[in-house]
Amino acid sequence: DTEVTQTPKHLVMGMTNKKSLKCEQHMGHRAMYWYKQKAKKPPELMFVYSYEKLSINESVPSRFSPECPNSSLLNLHLHALQPEDSALYLCASSQVGTETQYFGPGTRLLVL
Amino acid sequence: SQELEQSPQSLIVQEGKNLTINCTSSKTLYGLYWYKQKYGEGLIFLMMLQKGGEEKSHEKITAKLDEKKQQSSLHITASQPSHAGIYLCGADREAQGGSEKLVFGKGTKLTVNP
Repeated sequence: DTEVTQTPKHLVMGMTNKKSLKCEQHMGHRAMYWYKQKAKKPPELMFVYSYEKLSINESVPSRFSPECPNSSLLNLHLHALQPEDSALYLCASSQVGTETQYFGPGTRLLVL
Repeated sequence: SQELEQSPQSLIVQEGKNLTINCTSSKTLYGLYWYKQKYGEGLIFLMMLQKGGEEKSHEKITAKLDEKKQQSSLHITASQPSHAGIYLCGADREAQGGSEKLVFGKGTKLTVNP
């Protein structure tokens, strides 16, 4: 099973809303990732969790708050987003280190 | 600066034709990944190459890494409409605190006309 699931598939939110994106994997991977992808651009890394600890934050604004409650789950809490934050948010997981990352289907976010 | 250059940016081929997509790095590649993405969807892992001169195949797709480990190619034989999508190459790069992260090329959009 190489499946990473993400919910919701689509999300529309206002700039004053608080919402969360969820990601789940049951492959026993101990590294999980959040990427942001704008239209016609490649994915860009936001955060990396390794053994449930935040190991990389690519200077992401604090209105994005990641959380890794256990080894299978990864959340991205959103608050006071801007319209320019509208994008496809992708979650991925891998064995710790430089192993292959497996991606979820993404959450398409629209901020109004 | 873009560390991974992909060419061509887009490609339109007739079904049944062969095609090649290239990925060139300004730095030595220690892990090179090929992914496929349908518009608005997640990335599907295709292949990973690590050794100079390595070649891997899966069904009608073959990926190669050159001996100098600075260029990779993805070759599709007898293309089908199901091969259409955006092909992304990715490479391991050093990140903060000695960690590594995956960076991507800009992608190649493939259209296969029936």
